[in-house]
Amino acid sequence: AQKVTQAQTEISVVEKEDVTLDCVYETRDTTYYLFWYKQPPSGELVFLIRRNSFDEQNEISGRYSWNFQKSTSSFNFTITASQVVDSAVYFCALSDFGTGGNEKLTFGTGTRLTIIP
Amino acid sequence: KAGVTQTPRYLIKTRGQQVTLSCSPISGHRSVSWYQQTPGQGLQFLFEYFSETQRNKGNFPGRFSGRQFSNSRSEMNVSTLELGDSALYLCASSRWTSGVQETQYFGPGTRLLVL
Repeated sequence: AQKVTQAQTEISVVEKEDVTLDCVYETRDTTYYLFWYKQPPSGELVFLIRRNSFDEQNEISGRYSWNFQKSTSSFNFTITASQVVDSAVYFCALSDFGTGGNEKLTFGTGTRLTIIP
Repeated sequence: KAGVTQTPRYLIKTRGQQVTLSCSPISGHRSVSWYQQTPGQGLQFLFEYFSETQRNKGNFPGRFSGRQFSNSRSEMNVSTLELGDSALYLCASSRWTSGVQETQYFGPGTRLLVL
């Protein structure tokens, strides 16, 4: 069975500080996808990134960066120079490779990030 | 390109009633998935439809059902509503390319309150 653990329930940082959101996953699949989604107060889940299990390269997109380490089954998300607009609940998710009709996403419990102005 | 749309956005029902929620996927997306989000259970997968066929189902009772139409629009139905069905219901659509599913994009959700 797949499992995603986001141990940090809530994090508060002062604006412009860097913050890292942790994600640890469990799966028996050798090929899988990892995701991060952002959920602002409006409720919609906003897609941020998808990585496949073959690609352990870290990725940077503006102020966002992701660190994927297969050896520790972790896929951490760092926001640099945080802004108030980054305040939201962030979800890490896992799915298998999606070729066999088993495309469901398994989500972590989310981390509520509050950026204090 | 228009995103995933869900209607209605808010709904209040009483116990025992039934409800139908609608989801229109992004144009060209043939896969539609439904998720339930509650404070206690978090985000849980309900089911997934592709080309009008349910391909995958989560651990929910038979009161939860769905269908998909030929234009890929999907509906979800909950019969005999219970208080615990109060939740945000999220729909996600995705495209398949060369036999592999691409990223799921979510709609704004329907917030259901059962009284």
